[in-house]
Amino acid sequence: ETGVTQSPTHLIKTRGQQVTLRCSSQSGHNTVSWYQQALGQGPQFIFQYYREEENGRGNFPPRFSGLQFPNYSSELNVNALELDDSALYLCASSLAGLSGNTIYFGEGSWLTVV
Amino acid sequence: KQEVTQIPAALSVPEGENLVLNCSFTDSAIYNLQWFRQDPGKGLTSLLLIQSSQREQTSGRLNASLDKSSGRSTLYIAASQPGDSATYLCAVIMNSGYSTLTFGKGTMLLVSP
Repeated sequence: ETGVTQSPTHLIKTRGQQVTLRCSSQSGHNTVSWYQQALGQGPQFIFQYYREEENGRGNFPPRFSGLQFPNYSSELNVNALELDDSALYLCASSLAGLSGNTIYFGEGSWLTVV
Repeated sequence: KQEVTQIPAALSVPEGENLVLNCSFTDSAIYNLQWFRQDPGKGLTSLLLIQSSQREQTSGRLNASLDKSSGRSTLYIAASQPGDSATYLCAVIMNSGYSTLTFGKGTMLLVSP
């Protein structure tokens, strides 16, 4: 049990639709990162939020966007869904500036785009 | 650009065997390295974290080593059990203030009774 919770656990969307995924970080953690994991692949970094500001982004198009709230929870939004967006989306929380600390992941949200 | 490779991609062993999973990375300027376990359809569970200044970490039957200069890490599992069956992922962090993980594709382990 990591203390990182994600919702929903599973969802199916149609190509072209929009989706919002949610994450509550571990208590005391002020940094949230999002990763996309396609089947059979390792997770790929999407972006990171620290104190409500995006402070790093991976190689993902602008239709992937996010928010972090004052309580450090976070949302991942994906617009204009494509079939290749089908994946497990993982949220990770950590304490900024202390990369010596372990990073904790949630159970993920499975997104299927049809 | 950092690249992380894990060998083998899949491994099947009988219960009780000791085994080694390998991880290599192209840029040795890492801050730390972390091993994770992932059960089918689930999130990631952290197993061991090795700082760049450390050579190894141990937790129960697990031992992870790090050779930063050669860009290699190994995860040793002693006396494997069927409950160890999972995918094991290796990931590195490059920047001390920016906790971004670069992952390998993982090693899928099956331990049969």
